[in-house]
Amino acid sequence: DAKTTQPNSMESNEEEPVHLPCNHSTISGTDYIHWYRQLPSQGPEYVIHGLTSNVNNRMASLAIAEDRKSSTLILHRATLRDAAVYYCILMDGGGAQKLVFGQGTRLTINP
Amino acid sequence: DADVTQTPRNRITKTGKRIMLECSQTKGHDRMYWYRQDPGLGLRLIYYSFDVKDINKGEISDGYSVSRQAQAKFSLSLESAIPNQTALYFCATSDWGITGELFFGEGSRLTVL
Repeated sequence: DAKTTQPNSMESNEEEPVHLPCNHSTISGTDYIHWYRQLPSQGPEYVIHGLTSNVNNRMASLAIAEDRKSSTLILHRATLRDAAVYYCILMDGGGAQKLVFGQGTRLTINP
Repeated sequence: DADVTQTPRNRITKTGKRIMLECSQTKGHDRMYWYRQDPGLGLRLIYYSFDVKDINKGEISDGYSVSRQAQAKFSLSLESAIPNQTALYFCATSDWGITGELFFGEGSRLTVL
């Protein structure tokens, strides 16, 4: 399974944008980029996913580099409820289609 | 009611005991998964099942077994629990398809003394 690299932790301020980076230099052509987050004392929840083009949804935006070797999850206006561990994961669309989680980035939001 | 329900939510047991964690879902999904999370770490995949007749090992299947009793039910067993199996266990489901969005239960915290 292709691996991802994320910073262990990041900190931001409430109501400011947050850019969470992820490197996936060994990504293959059929790998989808998924982001999940885990709020304290909860199971992970889906945030967004993409293949090649940038994606937007109500929670966040996903910016994918042209060579697909990195991506950035963008929270446009962070709130205290966005404090969580964010996981960047590759899923092989042509293979077993299972998600393998890394250690993620712990995001702290300051009031 | 939660879409993905795990029982028990908390369990304390002793070394050598057999433990079963149960998962049921009301989402009608074919795919079910068991993950393990250790403090400060991400989730590691134990087993997964893409339909009732399909069982696959994940990253860390040693010491665990699973049973897919029905589309909606997927159980994880520890035949002889050991202390390093103390962890938070999550069940998840997903629909068929490449989007692979997972829906997680609230977790089962297992402590093996």
